[in-house]
Amino acid sequence: DTAVSQTPKYLVTQMGNDKSIKCEQNLGHDTMYWYKQDSKKFLKIMFSYNNKELIINETVPNRFSPKSPDKAHLNLHINSLELGDSAVYFCASSQEENRRSPLHFGNGTRLTVT
Amino acid sequence: AQKITQTQPGMFVQEKEAVTLDCTYDTSDPSYGLFWYKQPSSGEMIFLIYQGSYDQQNATEGRYSLNFQKARKSANLVISASQLGDSAMYFCAMREGYQKVTFGIGTKLQVIP
Repeated sequence: DTAVSQTPKYLVTQMGNDKSIKCEQNLGHDTMYWYKQDSKKFLKIMFSYNNKELIINETVPNRFSPKSPDKAHLNLHINSLELGDSAVYFCASSQEENRRSPLHFGNGTRLTVT
Repeated sequence: AQKITQTQPGMFVQEKEAVTLDCTYDTSDPSYGLFWYKQPSSGEMIFLIYQGSYDQQNATEGRYSLNFQKARKSANLVISASQLGDSAMYFCAMREGYQKVTFGIGTKLQVIP
């Protein structure tokens, strides 16, 4: 009965490859996010979707493309991976009608690009 | 300009003592929310406590309380009776408007037995 689940937990790949991270939430929330946590633990928002519509798109390279097939799923596809993409990627969800609603995070995907 | 400032990169506290983790924020939106999250070494992000800008009282959740000083734009987290399991990174975050939640750089807390 995991609330926000993301797969895979670990992803090791070579430069230039394309990879995807999947995220699903069963909380009935209407908004989902991708955050990137770098090696210094800084959490930076990348994207936010509300009811499958892209709401926030921070200055993220075009190689990153989010896809939301429905409001319970938000996947992240990364093309032409670079060394600097190595980080932990967190998916999160919240109910935006309730501004007190905290973000519920998945357990993160540790991406290592070699 | 940074929206959320956490000035303590690392803190030590003796077990069973109280500790205050500092957070200041910057916003011109009169309606905002402040969150604190804990990230233990295992990596998951755990929601601790929330304070709304219009809340009349400081938020409390068990051993966690928020010292909210609106005029000073500060929202410090107070952990009472520290336990070894409190050793973790702590992040202050703010929601302005809808959707976007911005995080501070975090404070690493170590509880000493």
